[in-house]
Amino acid sequence: DAGVIQSPRHEVTEMGQEVTLRCKPISGHNSLFWYRQTMMRGLELLIYFNNNVPIDDSGMPEDRFSAKMPNASFSTLKIQPSEPRDSAVYFCASSRGLVEKLFFGSGTQLSVL
Amino acid sequence: QQQVKQSPQSLIVQKGGISIINCAYENTAFDYFPWYQQFPGKGPALLIAIRPDVSEKKEGRFTISFNKSAKQFSLHIMDSQPGDSATYFCAASKAGSQGNLIFGKGTKLSVKP
Repeated sequence: DAGVIQSPRHEVTEMGQEVTLRCKPISGHNSLFWYRQTMMRGLELLIYFNNNVPIDDSGMPEDRFSAKMPNASFSTLKIQPSEPRDSAVYFCASSRGLVEKLFFGSGTQLSVL
Repeated sequence: QQQVKQSPQSLIVQKGGISIINCAYENTAFDYFPWYQQFPGKGPALLIAIRPDVSEKKEGRFTISFNKSAKQFSLHIMDSQPGDSATYFCAASKAGSQGNLIFGKGTKLSVKP
């Protein structure tokens, strides 16, 4: 079992650029979560999907953020345009159903200059 | 609005000692309380979890104590080891919203040899 796979591990971009983060959940898991981690705000849930359908996106900070899950094995989180305050570690997690044991990926460290 | 308050922010313990991390919550609808462990460069991983129908749960050297009336729960690490050095997060979720784990801000534990 390869676990949750996120790419890229690190992303450095300039303000105003589009950023796309990618996630491959664990095979057989049908729930997928996107979290953002910062020193100030800790771990925040941005959005989660169940069976590829977005269930709750109330944590998405602004319209600049969007997430998709076109199939059971792939999800993207897009920021367009990016801003310096978006700098954070973004985690993807998956689970078997809407149960509480989440399996996290290793995260994407995003730096927006 | 911080619904799960965690303390202390950081903790230094000698090898063999007991590490204690505390969390308090506000929402009485919460019914699931996990603890996650995070090593540098990695995503959080579920360590142990408890539901409010029991006051204590033990798994190896890790114990959760739960006080429903006080709306508090704590993690005890017995015989702390340098390998336990990590950041620990408490979290909570409520029935019908299992996908939305509310995390505490985290406690950075350092176990000195």
